[in-house]
Amino acid sequence: DAKTTQPNSMESNEEEPVHLPCNHSTISGTDYIHWYRQLPSQGPEYVIHGLTSNVNNRMASLAIAEDRKSSTLILHRATLRDAAVYYCILSDTGTASKLTFGTGTRLQVTL
Amino acid sequence: SQTIHQWPATLVQPVGSPLSLECTVEGTSNPNLYWYRQAAGRGLQLLFYSVGIGQISSEVPQNLSASRPQDRQFILSSKKLLLSDSGFYLCAWSGVADNWRNYGYTFGSGTRLTVV
Repeated sequence: DAKTTQPNSMESNEEEPVHLPCNHSTISGTDYIHWYRQLPSQGPEYVIHGLTSNVNNRMASLAIAEDRKSSTLILHRATLRDAAVYYCILSDTGTASKLTFGTGTRLQVTL
Repeated sequence: SQTIHQWPATLVQPVGSPLSLECTVEGTSNPNLYWYRQAAGRGLQLLFYSVGIGQISSEVPQNLSASRPQDRQFILSSKKLLLSDSGFYLCAWSGVADNWRNYGYTFGSGTRLTVV
């Protein structure tokens, strides 16, 4: 599986935008870019995913570089409830679409 | 709507005892099912996945086994627990093809297992 690289941790102030980067220089043409987040003592939660074009949903936006070797998860206005570990994951379109989680980015949100 | 149930929420078991964790999914048919484990302070490790009844793929050789006796039921077992089996166990499901691409994985609430 292609690997992703994320910063170990990031900090943000509440009400400000947060840009969480992810590098995936070995991404293949059929790999989707997924983002999940895990709040303390809970299972991961799907945030957003995309293939080539930028994506928006009610939770976040996903900006994908033109060469697809990097992407950025954008939280438009961070709240204390957004404090979590954010995982950037690549997955191909196989029958069993296995997701391999790395260590992610721990986002701290302060008042 | 689809829901996933996982139990128990917490479990304390002595070394050498058996284990059975159950996961069921409602509101969908023929889901892909997954068992993950998260050791304290670590990332998630995929243990098993299943694309159908009786079809189990193991990702990591270990002291655990999985079974899928029914379409929406996934069971994680061990005959004799080790201290190293402690962790947070998560069950997840996904659809296939366009369904999973649109909706991703849905995880259960997890079982925190402590082997003493």
